[in-house]
Formats: sequence, C-alpha cells, structure tokens
Amino acid sequence: ETGVTQTPRHLVMGMTNKKSLKCEQHLGHNAMYWYKQSAKKPLELMFVYSLEERVENNSVPSRFSPECPNSSHLFLHLHTLQPEDSALYLCASSQGWSEKLFFGSGTQLSVL
Amino acid sequence: GQQVMQIPQYQHVQEGEDFTTYCNSSTTLSNIQWYKQRPGGHPVFLIQLVKSGEVKKQKRLTFQFGEAKKNSSLHITATQTTDVGTYFCAGSNNDMRFGAGTRLTVKP
Repeated sequence: ETGVTQTPRHLVMGMTNKKSLKCEQHLGHNAMYWYKQSAKKPLELMFVYSLEERVENNSVPSRFSPECPNSSHLFLHLHTLQPEDSALYLCASSQGWSEKLFFGSGTQLSVL
Repeated sequence: GQQVMQIPQYQHVQEGEDFTTYCNSSTTLSNIQWYKQRPGGHPVFLIQLVKSGEVKKQKRLTFQFGEAKKNSSLHITATQTTDVGTYFCAGSNNDMRFGAGTRLTVKP
C-alpha cells in the first residue's frame, strides 16, 4: 500500500459516456499528478497540481478535465473519449515538485 | 524540450546473469530517479541520484549518475526471478520526464 488510492481499478466506457476517476493520497503531500501509460509509450504526464493549483497541462485534449478540490483529492473527469484513450491512468503524489513519486494502483480504462 | 532516452527496450536474461539499463538525457539534469514496475503493477520508487558521478547501491542493484549529469545506469548483479519487471528512469530539470523503460524477463 503506497498511501495513494485510486478508484475504480477498471473502467469500460462508451465514447458518449461521462465518467470520473478518483485519487486520494494519505501522505500529506503537496503535489498530485495524473499520468497516462499506454503500451509501447513512456509514461506521459497529463496534469500536475501543486498546493491545489494546476501547474502544468501538457496539451491534453479537453475531453480530459482535472479537478483538485483539496491537497488530498484529485479527479479526472472523462467525456466523449476515443478508443485511443484506452490506457492505464496513474495518479501519483509527491512532497514537492519533481520529488519522488508515490503512485496509485491505476485505473485500466477501455473505451469502446 | 528535454528528452530522456532509455535502452534497451527489452532484455531477457538467464537467472544469475547480470543486467544493465541505460538512460540518456538531451539536457543536464538536476536529479534522476529510478522506478520499478512489476507486471500488472504500478511504478515504485527505487532511488534518486543528485550529485555528479554519484554511485549508490541497494543489495544487488547499483545506480550511477554520470559526471555530466546527463546519463545514468542501473546494473543488477546475478538476476533473480523476483527482478522481473520494467525499470524506468525519470530525469528532472524544471520538469520530470520518464524514459520508455526497459522490460526485464528472467528465465529460471
């Protein structure tokens, strides 16, 4: 147990659905991240929140919408996704920016 | 922008053989981190290197940071089946970039 909890573990959704991924960290960290992990690709940083403010948005399509209501919780809202968005979505937290990351178990997303 | 290249992409070894993965950055790094991801699991932090030329050891694992702080390596001595997984480097310089990872398989 890393102290970072992600739900759900698995998600299957159609292209017209709206769903949300949830992440909670119990480590008292100040930064939280969303990463996308696809087959044959490096881990891709999607969003970073430091002290609840978004500090990086790596040209992620608007069909992905993050929300960080407080320093312990992070959401990723999904709508009108494409099949190529199917991947493992990992949440992570760290004490400070670019310090060692603690990952959650991830959400395996399949878009049909 | 900063790029982190990692080789090889795959490595299959016989149990007891050594294994090395290499990481190269296009820019000088402030630090480099290494992670291990077991099959079906999530990345787990192994170590962070900060100083030029730094060498750190964890049992059979040896981590090195180059003098120019642009490259790094992870060496495993006498691999065991428990070493199976994908090893990622992540270089930091204003932001953190992950290498593509090296997938290690070990034949008993």
